[in-house]
Amino acid sequence: EVQLVESGGGLVQPGGSLRLSCAASGFTVSSYWMHWVRQAPGKGLVWVSCIKSDGRSTDYADSVKGRFTISRDNAKNTLYLQMNSLTTEDAAVYYCTRGGGGLDVWGQGITVTVSS
Amino acid sequence: QSALTQPPSASGSPGQSVTLSCSGTSSDVGGYNFVSWYQQHPGKVPKLLIYDVNKRPSGVPDRFSGSKSGNTASLTVSGLQVEDEADYYCCSYAGSYSVFGTGTRVTVL
Repeated sequence: EVQLVESGGGLVQPGGSLRLSCAASGFTVSSYWMHWVRQAPGKGLVWVSCIKSDGRSTDYADSVKGRFTISRDNAKNTLYLQMNSLTTEDAAVYYCTRGGGGLDVWGQGITVTVSS
Repeated sequence: QSALTQPPSASGSPGQSVTLSCSGTSSDVGGYNFVSWYQQHPGKVPKLLIYDVNKRPSGVPDRFSGSKSGNTASLTVSGLQVEDEADYYCCSYAGSYSVFGTGTRVTVL
């Protein structure tokens, strides 16, 4: 079964860091563009970042550029999102998704809360 | 990286058709045939409905169809059903990033 499972969310103070993980099963992350999408409470979907199948090319939303880093571990078949200098604006449910002709596979989402 | 513009709400009676718009620019919607649409029920994970402007993943009913003209993409839901009541988001590739629309809440009257 094709599946994505996020982990690593939680409560962090403003200015802090967090690393999200997304374990894939049923397919190989290195064969696809992989994305992170977030959704603040009561708000819409916002694209955050992607890593292309070559593993070297990455893109970021302007709102996270320079603070977030997307990466993957092919051996673990896992996607990551390193988030630094977090602000209250970053509080959201974070989804990892597979880009396979649209975003066709989604994880269940992981909550990131930024509060002092 | 401005969000694509979608009307906040739309509605229709069961059996009717509703068309949702998604307005962008020549740098996103108008520049690429990589527009996708997602359905999200409250508290649930988004679901892909349409990709590459007008292609349907397997399992998505043919009541859902997509199109594009210039910088505006559209999703049409024909034969509206009660379970179609949800939030709908468009998304477009824009070269060095992707961007979602603001979302449309569809109400089935």
